[in-house]
Amino acid sequence: RKEVEQDPGPFNVPEGATVAFNCTYSNSASQSFFWYRQDCRKEPKLLMSVYSSGNEDGRFTAQLNRASQYISLLIRDSKLSDSATYLCVVNPGGSYIPTFGRGTSLIVHP
Amino acid sequence: GAGVSQSPSNKVTEKGKDVELRCDPISGHTALYWYRQSLGQGLEFLIYFQGNSAPDKSGLPSDRFSAERTGGSVSTLTIQRTQQEDSAVYLCASSYRSGRLNTEAFFGQGTRLTVV
Repeated sequence: RKEVEQDPGPFNVPEGATVAFNCTYSNSASQSFFWYRQDCRKEPKLLMSVYSSGNEDGRFTAQLNRASQYISLLIRDSKLSDSATYLCVVNPGGSYIPTFGRGTSLIVHP
Repeated sequence: GAGVSQSPSNKVTEKGKDVELRCDPISGHTALYWYRQSLGQGLEFLIYFQGNSAPDKSGLPSDRFSAERTGGSVSTLTIQRTQQEDSAVYLCASSYRSGRLNTEAFFGQGTRLTVV
């Protein structure tokens, strides 16, 4: 089992839709979790950290489920500019090295 | 403030030549990471530096790859005798230690390496 797994998609949604991505991780001792966004031919950029209590930033909501070992990202009212690849990042327990999922591709169309 | 800076942004080299890629992390960040990303693929970890500790080289794909970090700041990734399969975007990131964890990593814009 890969350390961090994501559905590669693509998720093809209309503007205004709500879309959710999940990401599973294998190391139960993992302590830090993040979502990054990567545009085509650009570097990954931090979208948001994921806290145990969940967190929300505008249209974006991230949740952590330790029991089932997954994190989620919910995007409400999708915009064309949300089209990108969303990377799930986990710091495995006992390691300081962020492990990246392969990413989920989102395409928002008019 | 300045972000992570990488140079060159693009590098085309002939097979068999050596290349050096440079990364200047965010000031004050003690952790520095190198990753590479091949076209359409995910990020592959290469090497991790934390302060003055010995680096974690577990991700280096062969002994043609090496990296150093001078004075706890600037890092150089060297690829000797480049091969076509080394063609990729090489990404550097930095973060700082908070307690027992490293905070989120910030990336440079990457060096796109093409071996012809």
